[in-house]
Amino acid sequence: KAGVTQTPRYLIKTRGQQVTLSCSPISGHRSVSWYQQTPGQGLQFLFEYFSETQRNKGNFPGRFSGRQFSNSRSEMNVSTLELGDSALYLCASSKGTGKEETQYFGPGTRLLVL
Amino acid sequence: GENVEQHPSTLSVQEGDSAVIKCTYSDSASNYFPWYKQELGKRPQLIIDIRSNVGEKKDQRIAVTLNKTAKHFSLHITETQPEDSAVYFCAESGYALNFGKGTSLLVTP
Repeated sequence: KAGVTQTPRYLIKTRGQQVTLSCSPISGHRSVSWYQQTPGQGLQFLFEYFSETQRNKGNFPGRFSGRQFSNSRSEMNVSTLELGDSALYLCASSKGTGKEETQYFGPGTRLLVL
Repeated sequence: GENVEQHPSTLSVQEGDSAVIKCTYSDSASNYFPWYKQELGKRPQLIIDIRSNVGEKKDQRIAVTLNKTAKHFSLHITETQPEDSAVYFCAESGYALNFGKGTSLLVTP
């Protein structure tokens, strides 16, 4: 099976702009979770989508949003970009939603905000 | 999310030695504890996981132990090789994966 894919792999934006990142899960996986990875804060949970519904949300401002499509592909959007949004954004897919589901990560999108 | 503390933050061992990374968690309801390995510039990859119905799990040179009473779990790598050099993350599964801050392991030939 093909693994989790993310596009684009790299992005450079300026403050105030918005950005949309895409994640395609492993075939048959219906849950997609998004994480932000930074050197200072490590891996932090953004949100999880399952069957086109947001199931859980981390402690991030409303500028961070997401959605999931009927084919389980997911997008996340960050509006009004700030310098501190520079990070590696990782998505992970799992078959279902639940506390013991194994999550498989994509390669990430590296976002640089100037 | 709940806190996961991971120690040490850096670890340097000689090839062939063992490496141990320890994590503690606070959510007593957690039942699933995965470990991920992240090489520079690459995605986190699941290397082993353990569920609370067992105390230890092994996969070749890698083992994980879990002590639910004490709320800690550990990763053990035996006969380390240079290709084991990476950042290792522990996690506990609440409503999302809560990660430790990572351990940078360096295996020197």
